[in-house]
Order: sequence, then structure tokens, then C-alpha cells
Amino acid sequence: DAKTTQPPSMDCAEGRAANLPCNHSTISGNEYVYWYRQIHSQGPQYIIHGLKNNETNEMASLIITEDRKSSTLILPHATLRDTAVYYCIVRAFYNTDKLIFGTGTRLQVFP
Amino acid sequence: GAVVSQHPSWVICKSGTSVKIECRSLDFQATTMFWYRQFPKQSLMLMATSNEGSKATYEQGVEKDKFLINHASLTLSTLTVTSAHPEDSSFYICSATQLSSGIYTDTQYFGPGTRLTVL
Repeated sequence: DAKTTQPPSMDCAEGRAANLPCNHSTISGNEYVYWYRQIHSQGPQYIIHGLKNNETNEMASLIITEDRKSSTLILPHATLRDTAVYYCIVRAFYNTDKLIFGTGTRLQVFP
Repeated sequence: GAVVSQHPSWVICKSGTSVKIECRSLDFQATTMFWYRQFPKQSLMLMATSNEGSKATYEQGVEKDKFLINHASLTLSTLTVTSAHPEDSSFYICSATQLSSGIYTDTQYFGPGTRLTVL
């Protein structure tokens, strides 16, 4: 699976949009981009995933560049409860379901 | 939907004893379950993949005789840490895959984790 690069940490003011970038320059055509987050001392929580089109759900939006070499997770109105480590993971659809976690981005939402 | 539970949520045991951790998919059938380990301030490390009714596949460097995995049904997988030692103290997390019908973009759902402390 392709590796991803994320900034180690980011800050965001409560109520503002949090934009978390992810680089995956070696992504293959059949690999999806998944985002998970992990709040302290809990199991990871699925957020969203996409292949090449932008995706939106009740939690977030995922913007994937046209060349698919990078993506951005957008939390439109960050709250204090969004403070967590966010993981961007790419995985081929034929893979045996493995998710390989990198170091992620620690997002701190402040009042 | 897609809820995964783990039991116990935390456990303290003496060195040399064995500890069993259960992982259950509560509202779906999980074709595949995974076990991860996470040390403080580190990311999740995949330990093994288990499919119902077959032997688990362990990642390189994970001792299969020490970390016994049983996946007896589509809703239950267990991880047994045998002869636990202090270095096995960690946060153990399971996940389960729910296949979306027709499309192989299955999503993994994670349990809340089990904190193991070996004295």
C-alpha cells in the first residue's frame, strides 16, 4: 500500500473549519483514501473514504486532487470534541483489508 | 449500526498468567477481524488478521504462540496473551470488516480497546 505524509500537529479554533492535508504521491489507480481518527484512549473511528471524487458525509468532507496525489479532510465546524489524532490511509480495494496506520496528525481544537 | 465491542475494557494481571480479550461485532457479521496493539504515544500496529473458521495470519515479528487468536464465529474473535510479561502491557484494539454488498470498499470498524497492564 502507498505511504502517506501528514503534518504531525495542527491547531484549529472552535467553530472554524479544520483542513487536514495528506500527501499520497505514490497512490495507485485502484487505491482508496481512508480517514480515521482516534480520540485519546479510544479505538479509531471511521470518518470517510473516497477513490477520486470528492465525498461528503455527516462528519466531514474529503477533497481529492485531480491527480489523486493529495487529499484534504475538512471538518466544517470544529468542536472541542474533534480534538484527536487523524489518520490518512490508502489501501487497494483488492488488499486483504489491512489498514496500515502512519503517525497521523494531532488536531487540537481550542476555545 | 456497525458497532464493535471489546471485553474487558481494562485488565491487570500478574506476570506469567494468560489473559483473554474478546472482540464482538454487535449488529453485523464480520467476515474478517483484526487485532492491533498500541504503545503509549505511538500509532497502531497490526498484529494479525483473522477470518472466521480459519487460522489467523500474523504480521512479521508477532509471535503466534504467544498471541493466540480464535475466530470461532462471524461475530466473535478472541485474543489470548499467553504467559504475559510487563513488556506485553499495551492497548489492544480489534476491528471488524463489514462488507458492503456488491462493492469491495468495505470499511473497518474498531472496538473501544482493552488496556492490559502486566505486573
